[in-house]
Amino acid sequence: GQQLNQSPQSMFIQEGEDVSMNCTSSSIFNTWLWYKQDPGEGPVLLIALYKAGELTSNGRLTAQFGITRKDSFLNISASIPSDVGIYFCAGQLKMDSSYKLIFGSGTRLLVRP
Amino acid sequence: DTGVSQDPRHKITKRGQNVTFRCDPISEHNRLYWYRQTLGQGPEFLTYFQNEAQLEKSRLLSDRFSAERPKGSFSTLEIQRTEQGDSAMYLCASSLVGPAIIYFGEGSWLTVV
Repeated sequence: GQQLNQSPQSMFIQEGEDVSMNCTSSSIFNTWLWYKQDPGEGPVLLIALYKAGELTSNGRLTAQFGITRKDSFLNISASIPSDVGIYFCAGQLKMDSSYKLIFGSGTRLLVRP
Repeated sequence: DTGVSQDPRHKITKRGQNVTFRCDPISEHNRLYWYRQTLGQGPEFLTYFQNEAQLEKSRLLSDRFSAERPKGSFSTLEIQRTEQGDSAMYLCASSLVGPAIIYFGEGSWLTVV
């Protein structure tokens, strides 16, 4: 089945540092989504990417849809303590008559004040 | 609040008991999804509805699981004869039809003791 390889698994950084995480797959996706999940809560959408090569920003977050449509990255600039959480990439592809969302295994981010 | 809402947020039950979770999607969304998430993993697809029709079920959805969306609005997920392996967060999500963004609820934590 489809799999997303998300890396790194975890990061422990100093406040103010930049962060980069990525997802790769052997499958081609129509859409890439990046979510953040706090403990005990559901995933919250951060950024959606719709076209190969697209680069989109949301405040200190920047994400790109890879040219091959098989990968995406998320950058967080000037990290702050509230960035702590688990970040998931999710690729959406059309299968039969529906659009499936496949999740990566997450990147756990810890920020040291 | 016009987001996806789930109830209850937490449920502790004894093995063998039945449990039911409710989801109210974003009001104009035709599609409603159920996902399951265990610790350290990304959400895994269980099933989805388009209006009142259940269009797809994952192999993860055993015979003890049943989901309904009787009037195309709210949905229920029932787990019969719960097992310890059913302990997880059950996430509901909704979207419009097509390659649309999927919005998640806050999740319902199930602990089977």
